[in-house]
Amino acid sequence: QSALTQPASVSGSPGQSITISCTGTSSDVGSYNLVSWYQQHPGKAPKLIIYEVTKRPSGVSNRFSGSKSGNTASLTISGLQAEDEAEYSCCSHAGRSALEVFGGGTKVTVL
Amino acid sequence: EVQLVQSGAEVKKAGESLKISCKASGYTFTNYWIAWVRQMPGKGLESMGIIYPADSDTTYSPSFQGRVTISVDKSITTAYLQWSSLKASDTALYYCARHIVGATNQYFDYWGQGTLVTVSS
Repeated sequence: QSALTQPASVSGSPGQSITISCTGTSSDVGSYNLVSWYQQHPGKAPKLIIYEVTKRPSGVSNRFSGSKSGNTASLTISGLQAEDEAEYSCCSHAGRSALEVFGGGTKVTVL
Repeated sequence: EVQLVQSGAEVKKAGESLKISCKASGYTFTNYWIAWVRQMPGKGLESMGIIYPADSDTTYSPSFQGRVTISVDKSITTAYLQWSSLKASDTALYYCARHIVGATNQYFDYWGQGTLVTVSS
């Protein structure tokens, strides 16, 4: 299966909101509400921040929110903070006979 | 507290074999799938395969089928990823992760710290 498509980079000023898109196909993102998002700071392991499109694990800031429309999922970070500067990757179920497929990752820069 | 602790960095030559580990603690090891995920330098995450420790049921991504072997030792709550003959293109950071799988849910909720594998030609 092909990787999901994410923008290479997104930037914003402190306090602003930014949105990262994650485009798949009707075989993955479009067919299942099984999109998750991961935050990865340099040299650190990925951290789950959104699962099942919109749900947040306990302890994750409510400044992070997820949504989906058709074959595209989105992650919005509101009230951008310096600590949000990291790589963000989306992931989707890709069918019964396939494992998950990830996006290429988006580097978020806080200006 | 759920923890996945991986073995240390490895430097190998092409053609050599390698087995890296992921020690789980803080939960019932046999109740959750474990996944291995690759991250090549400067690239995105790739799901390699998953294993269910209770019965060692394993599924590999087509890209990794036949190239790696995933296994577990339930007695020491440890999962493994191994290669019989490494290639330079196997140079990457490898993560293990606890994999939540169900009819209405699928995600990786806890991750190991990663094992860097460097293969020289």
